[in-house]
Amino acid sequence: NAGVTQTPKFRILKIGQSMTLQCTQDMNHNYMYWYRQDPGMGLKLIYYSVGAGITDKGEVPNGYNVSRSTTEDFPLRLELAAPSQTSVYFCASSYSGRGPGPRDEQFFGPGTRLTVL
Amino acid sequence: DQQVKQNSPSLSVQEGRISILNCDYTNSMFDYFLWYKKYPAEGPTFLISISSIKDKNEDGRFTVFLNKSAKHLSLHIVPSQPGDSAVYFCAATPGNNDMRFGAGTRLTVKP
Repeated sequence: NAGVTQTPKFRILKIGQSMTLQCTQDMNHNYMYWYRQDPGMGLKLIYYSVGAGITDKGEVPNGYNVSRSTTEDFPLRLELAAPSQTSVYFCASSYSGRGPGPRDEQFFGPGTRLTVL
Repeated sequence: DQQVKQNSPSLSVQEGRISILNCDYTNSMFDYFLWYKKYPAEGPTFLISISSIKDKNEDGRFTVFLNKSAKHLSLHIVPSQPGDSAVYFCAATPGNNDMRFGAGTRLTVKP
């Protein structure tokens, strides 16, 4: 059971480039999330998905896109990278998102450190 | 708009003593609160949670207290161990998928 895996671990992009951050979970969780963490700040929700084919915006969605074609995968797409997108990106999953309750505990991946120069 | 605040960026305690990490929130719609622990180069891991219908939840050495009238919660670790050294995030949700995190407190437990 690998849990939540993210690739790549590190990436440097030039301004205007695009890339996709990969996230996969093997826990058969319905809910998946993308967060970003800026230095000295808490995690902020970018997008989330309640199941295959369903996605919704979080607190800071601008500049990002997501898709959820399978239960396992939830890639995050950056179009036209900007220095403001320099951050550490965490993917997470949970059994349900109904909250509150222990079944809604989110399991996080190890993160992707992205630098945009 | 920082709805969840952890005003102490760092805390240092001696092994065996109590660690108290504090968290304040502003949104009265939050009804479920969580603490996550994060080691360097890893993702956060769930530690303990509390529903707004309770004022205390205990799990081994970890206890979370909730004071709804003050919009304040705290995490107590007793006794503290060097392996507890990590960044601790407080998080809150109004019961949907909108989870708000504090900026974290770095705990250092000295042997």
